[in-house]
Amino acid sequence: AQTVTQSQPEMSVQEAETVTLSCTYDTSESNYYLFWYKQPPSRQMILVIRQEAYKQQNATENRFSVNFQKAAKSFSLKISDSQLGDTAMYFCAFAYEKLTFGTGTRLTIIP
Amino acid sequence: GAVVSQHPSRVICKSGTSVKIECRSLDFQATTMFWYRQFPKQSLMLMATSNEGSKATYEQGVEKDKFLINHASLTLSTLTVTSAHPEDSSFYICSARTSGYTDTQYFGPGTRLTVL
Repeated sequence: AQTVTQSQPEMSVQEAETVTLSCTYDTSESNYYLFWYKQPPSRQMILVIRQEAYKQQNATENRFSVNFQKAAKSFSLKISDSQLGDTAMYFCAFAYEKLTFGTGTRLTIIP
Repeated sequence: GAVVSQHPSRVICKSGTSVKIECRSLDFQATTMFWYRQFPKQSLMLMATSNEGSKATYEQGVEKDKFLINHASLTLSTLTVTSAHPEDSSFYICSARTSGYTDTQYFGPGTRLTVL
């Protein structure tokens, strides 16, 4: 069974700063996908970024980028130029047949 | 694109009654839909996976007779909580995926169920 660990329950950062959220996972599979989802106070789950395990290049989406280290089974999310709207719960998720979520990191952007 | 709706967004019912929650993929065909449960300040817990036209696959510990799932078409899945009790009160979220585990799951906005 796959497990996903997010070791930072809460983080806060000043607006416009850069923040990195950590995620590690455990699996015996070689082909899988990794995701970061955000859940704002509305509780709507929103896809932030996705990474295919077979790709060495790290995924980027505007201000969001990942550092994917397959051998270390690490998948961190970097948010650059953070904005107030980035305040949310962030969940790391592993996908192989189904999604396995981490426990989440509550990120607060301070004005 | 990739919009998933859920109805109702909130429901309050009396203990012992049944409640049905609908999940629709609005602009794509979902071969697979998932139902999650989320307790306050916790992560999402997968309850079951449903494929169009076949029986749902339930996760260990989820009572299939209490949580009835039907995936009758490529755009609609329903979750019926039968004989609901206060401990069933929770936030229920559905998601939809086109095909294969490589495809992204898109989530509905969730349904808050309160059982009195």
